[in-house]
Amino acid sequence: DAMVIQNPRYQVTQFGKPVTLSCSQTLNHNVMYWYQQKSSQAPKLLFHYYDKDFNNEADTPDNFQSRRPNTSFCFLDIRSPGLGDAAMYLCATSRAFGGRTEAFFGQGTRLTVV
Amino acid sequence: DQQVKQNSPSLSVQEGRISILNCDYTNSMFDYFLWYKKYPAEGPTFLISISSIKDKNEDGRFTVFLNKSAKHLSLHIVPSQPGDSAVYFCAASARYGGSQGNLIFGKGTKLSVKP
Repeated sequence: DAMVIQNPRYQVTQFGKPVTLSCSQTLNHNVMYWYQQKSSQAPKLLFHYYDKDFNNEADTPDNFQSRRPNTSFCFLDIRSPGLGDAAMYLCATSRAFGGRTEAFFGQGTRLTVV
Repeated sequence: DQQVKQNSPSLSVQEGRISILNCDYTNSMFDYFLWYKKYPAEGPTFLISISSIKDKNEDGRFTVFLNKSAKHLSLHIVPSQPGDSAVYFCAASARYGGSQGNLIFGKGTKLSVKP
């Protein structure tokens, strides 16, 4: 089945140690998104790629970076994780941006910072 | 400042009855609205959507109503089933304006359907 896959499902990292979360999709969608969701909060968009074009949300900390080497894969890099970065990270894809199209989400990666 | 608000963190309903989940928004540029359902340890899955040119969209047991003048939408589930127990997120996007296309989510409402 076509889907959005995130690895790993659970990630524990040390305070200040760089960590990378990965996302792959078989939907061949143009747009890939990274959302951060903290407990009892709404998912918050960090950035998105429209094809190779990277779009950062204005309030996304510099500590968060992303790479999209090809259509299928997208990575979230956290350069120096702090305790406040512990959250569920959701990857999503959609066919287009700014229109009548829903986003398809992966299962998420729960990040713990110790 | 929350642009999409789900003021009820939780809702409990008896099996077979109607579940009504509410959502309010503040940004008048929003013109497309979606509901997502999320089970524990899974990502959100798309449930139903509505464009601002409509006031109702129905899909099986799920109906979404949009009241643009009140900036309010609701999701009706009838009849409710125990398998509907999940967190429901309301989301909105705007075709034009700043952050166009970005899905803005509410905090979610946890629905429990009791047998």
